[in-house]
Amino acid sequence: EAEVAQSPRYKITEKSQAVAFWCDPISGHATLYWYRQILGQGPELLVQFQDESVVDDSQLPKDRFSAERLKGVDSTLKIQPAELGDSAMYLCASRPGTANEKLFFGSGTQLSVL
Amino acid sequence: SQKIEQNSEALNIQEGKTATLTCNYTNYSPAYLQWYRQDPGRGPVFLLLIRENEKEKRKERLKVTFDTTLKQSLFHITASQPADSATYLCALGGDYKLSFGAGTTVTVRA
Repeated sequence: EAEVAQSPRYKITEKSQAVAFWCDPISGHATLYWYRQILGQGPELLVQFQDESVVDDSQLPKDRFSAERLKGVDSTLKIQPAELGDSAMYLCASRPGTANEKLFFGSGTQLSVL
Repeated sequence: SQKIEQNSEALNIQEGKTATLTCNYTNYSPAYLQWYRQDPGRGPVFLLLIRENEKEKRKERLKVTFDTTLKQSLFHITASQPADSATYLCALGGDYKLSFGAGTTVTVRA
């Protein structure tokens, strides 16, 4: 069964460093999401893409976070500079594009900022 | 502001019993509601979707109800098994957006 691929699986960095996460959605899925999940909380939407266009980035801290999906396929989320409070699981999800269909999540990238 | 609340306490139940989880929401009119299962260190996995005009959905040992008047969804796991131990997330959707609750952790004792 097709899966959403994410890398790296774990990332440890020091504050003020730059980090980047990569996501490859299921083939043919037009909609791609990046969520952040702090331990004990639910996933919080950071950014949503429809093909290569940003649909919603209202919760993305744009002073330090950036996201792109240049060819409408895979996507990269970057943090520069990282802060202690950025320690969390970063989840990528995709779906074909119909509004009410389920999301397919990757296994996430666990970020620890020291 | 929109708020989604799930059982604040973890749920510990005996194998074979029914687990009932609650999802309440305020300042929201979702077109549909979804339930996901999340194991430690993994991404959520979709379980069930119920639309605003539906009262109940079933899938194997799972049952979901949706009461738009009470602004509440109930999620039931019948004949629970230790393998059902996980965190269960409810998510409310409208248009393109999906917003998640904090989840309820269920532990099923053998």
